[in-house]
Amino acid sequence: AQSVTQPDIHITVSEGASLELRCNYSYGATPYLFWYVQSPGQGLQLLLKYFSGDTLVQGIKGFEAEFKRSQSSFNLRKPSVHWSDAAEYFCAVGAGSGGYNKLIFGAGTRLAVHP
Amino acid sequence: GAGVSQSPSNKVTEKGKDVELRCDPISGHTALYWYRQSLGQGLEFLIYFQGNSAPDKSGLPSDRFSAERTGGSVSTLTIQRTQQEDSAVYLCASSARHYEQYFGPGTRLTVT
Repeated sequence: AQSVTQPDIHITVSEGASLELRCNYSYGATPYLFWYVQSPGQGLQLLLKYFSGDTLVQGIKGFEAEFKRSQSSFNLRKPSVHWSDAAEYFCAVGAGSGGYNKLIFGAGTRLAVHP
Repeated sequence: GAGVSQSPSNKVTEKGKDVELRCDPISGHTALYWYRQSLGQGLEFLIYFQGNSAPDKSGLPSDRFSAERTGGSVSTLTIQRTQQEDSAVYLCASSARHYEQYFGPGTRLTVT
């Protein structure tokens, strides 16, 4: 069965520091991978996605992620964190075939940013 | 353009009552999804609709939950005989392309 693991429940970084959020997936075929961000009281906003091709994908707000098939990972990175990046981050894999199917989410990583 | 909208934003109901939650997808999006977000279970898929195909109901937790999508647009999620464990944020998403889902702000349901 498909699954997504985000090993870090909570991470705290200083403003201006670099960030890496870990995500590991379990999926039998080529995965469709996503990172979403959720600010308090808000819905989910898509940060970036990987379908195929270049394994380093760029997203909004200065985020990037790298797909590593050998490690079944899709880690999210940002070189310099801003206070406004404090939020909860969810990694997800698209499950099933046919193009339109459910997302399987990880448990999320809550990011706190110290000034 | 307008995003996915959901109503109401908050709903408080008594245990045993029925509730209806509404979702208006992004215009032109053919696929519509419902998810539930709760402290204990995280983000869970409930159901999705794609065009005229039969909906995938595999995530509905019990037969008290049902959903319909009228005219290929607006969707209503109905929970009958609500229980306290139904308290959660119900999120709707829509999609026009492979897996790229756009989410609404959610409906926070509290069952007292």
